Amino acid sequence: QKEVEQNSGPLSVPEGAIASLNCTYSDRGSQSFFWYRQYSGKSPELIMSIYSNGDKEDGRFTAQLNKASQYVSLLIRDSQPSDSATYLCAVKDSSYKLIFGSGTRLLVRP
Amino acid sequence: DVKVTQSSRYLVKRTGEKVFLECVQDMDHENMFWYRQDPGLGLRLIYFSYDVKMKEKGDIPEGYSVSREKKERFSLILESASTNQTSMYLCASSLGQIQETQYFGPGTRLLVL
Repeated sequence: QKEVEQNSGPLSVPEGAIASLNCTYSDRGSQSFFWYRQYSGKSPELIMSIYSNGDKEDGRFTAQLNKASQYVSLLIRDSQPSDSATYLCAVKDSSYKLIFGSGTRLLVRP
Repeated sequence: DVKVTQSSRYLVKRTGEKVFLECVQDMDHENMFWYRQDPGLGLRLIYFSYDVKMKEKGDIPEGYSVSREKKERFSLILESASTNQTSMYLCASSLGQIQETQYFGPGTRLLVL
């Protein structure tokens, strides 16, 4: 059974701080990795994708991938109250399917 | 701009009714997916389709069927709705195997009484 694990949280950080969200996965054959943000009552929206080891930056967001350790993380710099949401980690293996973690709830305190 | 639409945002049905949920994408995507999302269980794949008239079972296909007669449209059918099918249903699409990013529709919140 392929699994993607995330801490459910909530992760609470003050406004302006760095929020660090982590995800581990079980399938070493996984090829593509995604972070989605989901506001309460809304559908997931893609924040970032990452395919190779290392860091990928997009504005205030940085995704980090370490295939040897089988983890992927998302850093949010200068966190804002509008970043408060559930963040879903998703991992794609050799099939068409994405496997989702259950999500980490982030709370950014003003 | 990427656009996935679902026929209803909210739906209330009775036990035993046949329920149709429709999803349409305007991006010429090959792949389409149906998920359900429940608190504490995350997103679970019900069915997916990688081509017109093609379908594959996901992780929880029991009690559901799908139809893909046209590339842009993927329908989820609850043959005889039950209360344990009360959930948020999310449709998604992706371009193909290489471009795997999945784009989600707004979701349908289904309540079965």
